[in-house]
Amino acid sequence: GEKVEQHESTLSVREGDSAVINCTYTDTASSYFPWYKQEAGKSLHFVIDIRSNVDRKQSQRLIVLLDKKAKRFSLHITATQPEDSAIYFCAASLAGNKLTFGIGTRVLVRP
Amino acid sequence: EAAVTQSPRNKVTVTGGNVTLSCRQTNSHNYMYWYRQDTGHGLRLIHYSYGAGNLQIGDVPDGYKATRTTQEDFFLLLELASPSQTSLYFCASSDRTESNERLFFGHGTKLSVL
Repeated sequence: GEKVEQHESTLSVREGDSAVINCTYTDTASSYFPWYKQEAGKSLHFVIDIRSNVDRKQSQRLIVLLDKKAKRFSLHITATQPEDSAIYFCAASLAGNKLTFGIGTRVLVRP
Repeated sequence: EAAVTQSPRNKVTVTGGNVTLSCRQTNSHNYMYWYRQDTGHGLRLIHYSYGAGNLQIGDVPDGYKATRTTQEDFFLLLELASPSQTSLYFCASSDRTESNERLFFGHGTKLSVL
């Protein structure tokens, strides 16, 4: 089955800088790649996704890049703010199938 | 905004105990899921369902049963709880159509098995 590896377990950035989280996947047939955010003590919520028919997607300060050849995708958080501090999970699936999650990256935005 | 409600929020039981975790969603979603979250493992899928009476096995199903009684309600059953099942459990729901696969999560149930 699909395996998703999330390469950074923790990331510390200065407020205003960018944070980049990298994930790789194993199944070349995977075509859907969402990201979820979990703030301290809270549940997860969706932040952004990308499908395999594009290689870049942006939503406000969030940018997702997809490199299908390398089976790699990444989340870029630009102009980081304190409220960006959280655990971020990447995930992958074949369209319409169950998601496989990475282990999460804890992002800390320092003043 | 999708609403997924889990109960209880916290549960403590002993080894060998019987536990039922409940989840209700009020958004008419077809799919419901049970995940467990553990440090170093992220979220792992236990069971899921695409409608009342349906059950699909996830990636870590051993020691768990589940039942989907209605479109709204999905239950996770631990009939002989073990310490390895101490975890944070999340329920989620989704439409899982081609254009919208977004998961909506409940607030979680923290289970401790002593």
